[in-house]
Amino acid sequence: NAGVTQTPKFRILKIGQSMTLQCTQDMNHNYMYWYRQDPGMGLKLIYYSVGAGITDKGEVPNGYNVSRSTTEDFPLRLELAAPSQTSVYFCASSYTGLAGGTGELFFGEGSRLTVL
Amino acid sequence: GEDVEQSLFLSVREGDSSVINCTYTDSSSTYLYWYKQEPGAGLQLLTYIFSNMDMKQDQRLTVLLNKKDKHLSLRIADTQTGDSAIYFCAENPGLGLGGYQKVTFGIGTKLQVIP
Repeated sequence: NAGVTQTPKFRILKIGQSMTLQCTQDMNHNYMYWYRQDPGMGLKLIYYSVGAGITDKGEVPNGYNVSRSTTEDFPLRLELAAPSQTSVYFCASSYTGLAGGTGELFFGEGSRLTVL
Repeated sequence: GEDVEQSLFLSVREGDSSVINCTYTDSSSTYLYWYKQEPGAGLQLLTYIFSNMDMKQDQRLTVLLNKKDKHLSLRIADTQTGDSAIYFCAENPGLGLGGYQKVTFGIGTKLQVIP
């Protein structure tokens, strides 16, 4: 029962470095999401995908990129890391975006990123 | 736009009831949720309520929905130390632009249970 798996769990980056947060799910969910969680700010949606080959921006997409080449994988790329990107990142998936489902989101355990 | 508000912190004694409150703004919300986040972990759905319901009970959990006031509450009876976590209220107005489930989360209420 893997569910949603994120790697790495922790990472420290220097300003200007690049990295990719990996996310994979084994539930055959069509919808996948990336959120960031900052203290006292709740969860903010960065990017989402409604299926392989289809991605779109959420509330806070600047400084990030995503791709969705398969149903299972949804990596998040930081091109030029900045201190403002220090956060905890959560990948999530859901079965369907269509009306009729409950819209339950299944979350990974999170990736804590620090940019110094 | 959508907004979900909840208090930051709640402290209760073990065995007492906990009540976590939430207000939301989108009257078209179809589902409202309570997610639980334990330390170092991701969020996990605790319970949800469909918008045509006033109340939902599930063992120690009771969810009350007041659509007129756009108020949602989560009551945990006989609170245990294992209930210590952050509880997020969330609303789902249905399909957003692009067709995804546009779930909006509150900032989370940290529940501290004192033994």
